[in-house]
Amino acid sequence: GENVEQHPSTLSVQEGDSAVIKCTYSDSASNYFPWYKQELGKGPQLIIDIRSNVGEKKDQRIAVTLNKTAKHFSLHITETQPEDSAVYFCAASITGNQFYFGTGTSLTVIP
Amino acid sequence: EAGVAQSPRYKIIEKRQSVAFWCNPISGHATLYWYQQILGQGPKLLIQFQNNGVVDDSQLPKDRFSAERLKGVDSTLKIQPAKLEDSAVYLCASSFQGPNTEAFFGQGTRLTVV
Repeated sequence: GENVEQHPSTLSVQEGDSAVIKCTYSDSASNYFPWYKQELGKGPQLIIDIRSNVGEKKDQRIAVTLNKTAKHFSLHITETQPEDSAVYFCAASITGNQFYFGTGTSLTVIP
Repeated sequence: EAGVAQSPRYKIIEKRQSVAFWCNPISGHATLYWYQQILGQGPKLLIQFQNNGVVDDSQLPKDRFSAERLKGVDSTLKIQPAKLEDSAVYLCASSFQGPNTEAFFGQGTRLTVV
């Protein structure tokens, strides 16, 4: 099955700085890559996603890039704010509806 | 739009006891998933339903876990008997039928087995 690796496991940044989280996947058939934000005591919430026919997607302070050749994708958060502090998960989908998740990155934004 | 509803939010049981979790997906969502999230790890798929049929249950420990989706809407996940290693958050998610559609997650049920 698909294997998704995520780095780093923890990340601390100063407020206003950028944060980057990277993921790799193993199955070249994966074609959908969502990113989820999970706050304490809550379920994961989709923040951005990208499909295999697109190399980059941006939504305000959040952007995701995809390199199909290298089988890796990254989440970029600019101008970080304290409310961005949470655990972030990347995921890869092969069959369209089955998601394989990374191990998560705990992001702390220091005011 | 109402989200995915799960109950209970928390459950503490002793090992070898049984427990059941309930999920009500978003109206109109044909696909329903149950994920297990162990502390410090990403969610792991247990079972996926399409309407009331099972699409994938390859990672469901069938000797102790069972799940059903009545009439293609609500779903229950049961563990019997529970083991200490079953302590985790059980997440339910749903999505529209079709490829690459967004999955919406509930708040989860935190199970502690003592």
